[in-house]
Amino acid sequence: GAGVSQTPSNKVTEKGKYVELRCDPISGHTALYWYRQSLGQGPEFLIYFQGTGAADDSGLPNDRFFAVRPEGSVSTLKIQRTERGDSAVYLCASSQGALAYNEQFFGPGTRLTVL
Amino acid sequence: KQEVTQIPAALSVPEGENLVLNCSFTDSAIYNLQWFRQDPGKGLTSLLLIQSSQREQTSGRLNASLDKSSGRSTLYIAASQPGDSATYLCAATLVDSWGKLQFGAGTQVVVTP
Repeated sequence: GAGVSQTPSNKVTEKGKYVELRCDPISGHTALYWYRQSLGQGPEFLIYFQGTGAADDSGLPNDRFFAVRPEGSVSTLKIQRTERGDSAVYLCASSQGALAYNEQFFGPGTRLTVL
Repeated sequence: KQEVTQIPAALSVPEGENLVLNCSFTDSAIYNLQWFRQDPGKGLTSLLLIQSSQREQTSGRLNASLDKSSGRSTLYIAASQPGDSATYLCAATLVDSWGKLQFGAGTQVVVTP
């Protein structure tokens, strides 16, 4: 079946602009995670959804970052007033349920460049 | 706070040699540990997941061990091939963490023909 997909694959924007990044999880997966990966580093957790609700948003760096998952499937990560430090690869992952031992499957990521 | 460390940061071996990749974590209260492969410009591919109650997992040429008491996991890749060249990341899931993964920085592997 189809894996996790993310769009766009690349996004170049100017400092101060607003961007939206989209994630389509594997069909039937109720858990969805967003991570951010800077060059040469491992991914860092941003936010976790179980169904439609954000169960843990402790990784969001500040209030410029927001994510939604209105119907419990597709999720959108929104970044306001982008800064150069937001440049990174944003990864989305999904898993079958809320249990912590479920394997996570990752999408290809969106590379965000803020000029 | 869980710290996950991978040493070395980079590794180069000739084709046919066995690869040994190390991962250490500071908090032994983990649900599981997962190993991933990442090719340049790509997402993460899950290789093996070891539950906290398990000692090891095997898939083909890959074998991963877990020692919670010492805070270590090791990924072994037998008879390496040039196609094994990639960055390998380990990630731990803490108890009571909603499944969020705490990653190491990865080991970049080059297998030379």
